[in-house]
Amino acid sequence: SQQGEEDPQALSIQEGENATMNCSYKTSINNLQWYRQNSGRGLVHLILIRSNEREKHSGRLRVTLDTSKKSSSLLITASRAADTASYFCATDAWDTGRRALTFGSGTRLQVQP
Amino acid sequence: KAGVTQTPRYLIKTRGQQVTLSCSPISGHRSVSWYQQTPGQGLQFLFEYFSETQRNKGNFPGRFSGRQFSNSRSEMNVSTLELGDSALYLCASRNWIAGGQQETQYFGPGTRLLVL
Repeated sequence: SQQGEEDPQALSIQEGENATMNCSYKTSINNLQWYRQNSGRGLVHLILIRSNEREKHSGRLRVTLDTSKKSSSLLITASRAADTASYFCATDAWDTGRRALTFGSGTRLQVQP
Repeated sequence: KAGVTQTPRYLIKTRGQQVTLSCSPISGHRSVSWYQQTPGQGLQFLFEYFSETQRNKGNFPGRFSGRQFSNSRSEMNVSTLELGDSALYLCASRNWIAGGQQETQYFGPGTRLLVL
């Protein structure tokens, strides 16, 4: 079963605009990770944020985590056509005995050149 | 370091057949996980192996099985294939840190299986 729901399911923006994707999850976590997937290929790890962190940056990526609301957001600034992909959040809750990543349903991002 | 590799990349089988997929983790990674991705169910966890032992298993029927070898390479097998087994099968490896803390998983390109 999927832990999280992502919102929106699909997003279309122009190059240069910012893209924001949201992820909600149901149970307590140790960390939350964001992955990108290009057209049915493998997943590429983008960023990991731990449960005791509130915000993290990596290049054009900014991730926030609100454990009280069980939600996270991924912001991609100054988007490029190459950012077109599906983006997934995944939660990790290893100290509860659940050792597998649980993925959200994904957001399909289309960046128009 | 070379990334996670999976073979074959594409596979076509018919109902009732069995299939074996292979995954070679990143050098030094001892944990290998398998996931199934379908349009309807999304990404779902199959199982995880560490040091040749299955550590965790998802909610899949017994037709799905796996193993890990001493060099950390892993295989998964699906017997008596059904149409619904058509999916992208992804393998991921990660470093196992003392205490069990999970860190980043690195995914392979996947094997796309089509069952006719």
